[in-house]
Amino acid sequence: AQRVTQPEKLLSVFKGAPVELKCNYSYSGSPELFWYVQYSRQRLQLLLRHISRESIKGFTADLNKGETSFHLKKPFAQEEDSAMYYCALSPLGRGGADGLTFGKGTHLIIQP
Amino acid sequence: GAVVSQHPSWVICKSGTSVKIECRSLDFQATTMFWYRQFPKQSLMLMATSNEGSKATYEQGVEKDKFLINHASLTLSTLTVTSAHPEDSSFYICSATATESNQPQHFGDGTRLSIL
Repeated sequence: AQRVTQPEKLLSVFKGAPVELKCNYSYSGSPELFWYVQYSRQRLQLLLRHISRESIKGFTADLNKGETSFHLKKPFAQEEDSAMYYCALSPLGRGGADGLTFGKGTHLIIQP
Repeated sequence: GAVVSQHPSWVICKSGTSVKIECRSLDFQATTMFWYRQFPKQSLMLMATSNEGSKATYEQGVEKDKFLINHASLTLSTLTVTSAHPEDSSFYICSATATESNQPQHFGDGTRLSIL
């Protein structure tokens, strides 16, 4: 069975500092990876997915199949980035057509 | 666009009663909807996949008779927790995917269920 690991429950960085939220996965097939974000009192929102190769709100994530990782990065953190971040995996690589396996989430706090 | 509405947002009821939670896609048609459960300070766990017009597919360990899922239209799926007990108290979240291929899942706000 697939698994998604986010090793940090809490990550605190200062505004303007670089941010990296770690995500590792285990799955034998060719999954699709996502990052979802949940701001305070709001619903889960898609931040980015690896097949899009987009940069959203300054965040990027590269799928490293050799290391089975999908770390989320941003060069300069902003206070509005404070939120809960979840890494998720779609086992059959069919995007929204699969139920997702989520990591436990990382609470990112950006200090002024 | 791509808004998913979940109702109710919070429900408290007595042990033994049944509770229905609705999940609607407001501005798109959803062939597939998913139901997740989230315990405090834990991740979302997939409970079942709901396809319009067919029976839901449940994940291992999820009781079909306890969690009844109906997906009668392309914009509505319901989860009924039957004969609820305190251990069923949790946060239930639905998501929906548009019928167009390779679209991501969009999530509802969730329903907090408290069984007394």
